[in-house]
Amino acid sequence: ELKVEQNPLFLSMQEGKNYTIYCNYSTTSDRLYWYRQDPGKSLESLFVLLSNGAVKQEGRLMASLDTKARLSTLHITAAVHDLSATYFCAVDPTWAGGTSYGKLTFGQGTILTVHP
Amino acid sequence: EPEVTQTPSHQVTQMGQEVILRCVPISNHLYFYWYRQILGQKVEFLVSFYNNEISEKSEIFDDQFSVERPDGSNFTLKIRSTKLEDSAMYFCASSVYGNEQFFGPGTRLTVL
Repeated sequence: ELKVEQNPLFLSMQEGKNYTIYCNYSTTSDRLYWYRQDPGKSLESLFVLLSNGAVKQEGRLMASLDTKARLSTLHITAAVHDLSATYFCAVDPTWAGGTSYGKLTFGQGTILTVHP
Repeated sequence: EPEVTQTPSHQVTQMGQEVILRCVPISNHLYFYWYRQILGQKVEFLVSFYNNEISEKSEIFDDQFSVERPDGSNFTLKIRSTKLEDSAMYFCASSVYGNEQFFGPGTRLTVL
C-alpha cells in the first residue's frame, strides 16, 4: 500500500522567514502534485512534478522532486500571511507509459500559519 | 476560466437514506474522480472514471457507492444507504489526460 508522509504536520512561521515542507512516499512514482487548501474550501493545484529532478517555482513557493529518494519538497521563501493554508502533496502511482488513472494518494497535509 | 462545479454545497440526510451528489466536470476533460475528506483528515481517493466506466476504485468504494455519467456533462456519486461514517466533504475532480486534476468546491454531506 502506498504511503505518503508529510512533515511537519504543523508549521508556524514568522513573516519573512524561509522553511521547507517535506513529502516522502513509499513506492515508485514520477508524478507528484502539490495542492493548497484554505479552510472550508477546495483544493487548488499549485505544482505538477512529472520527472526526477523537476523543479517548479511560483512566487514565494518552489517545489522539487527526487524520485530516487522518493522525496518532494515545498520551499517557502520570505513567508507572508497570505500563504497561511493547508498544503497537501499527492502521489499518482498509476501512470503507466501514457495512461494514467490518476488515483492520487494524499499526504496528511501541513497546516501552515504565518504570523507577523 | 473553466472550473468544476458541484451541487449541492451541503446535504443533510438521515441514516439509511440514499443521496446523489452531482458534479459538472470541465467540459473538455476525459477523466473524472471522486474523493472524500473526513473533517480534519486527509483527502482519500474513492473512484476514477474514464470512457464511461470505472478505471479504479478504493476499498472505501463498496457496493453502497456507484457513479454515473448520465449525460454529456454531469457526473454523479450515489450512496445507496448512508451511514454515519459517510459524513464527509466529497470532492469531484476532472483532468484532461489523467494528469493534473482540478477539484470542485465540494459537497459537505452530513448523515444524522
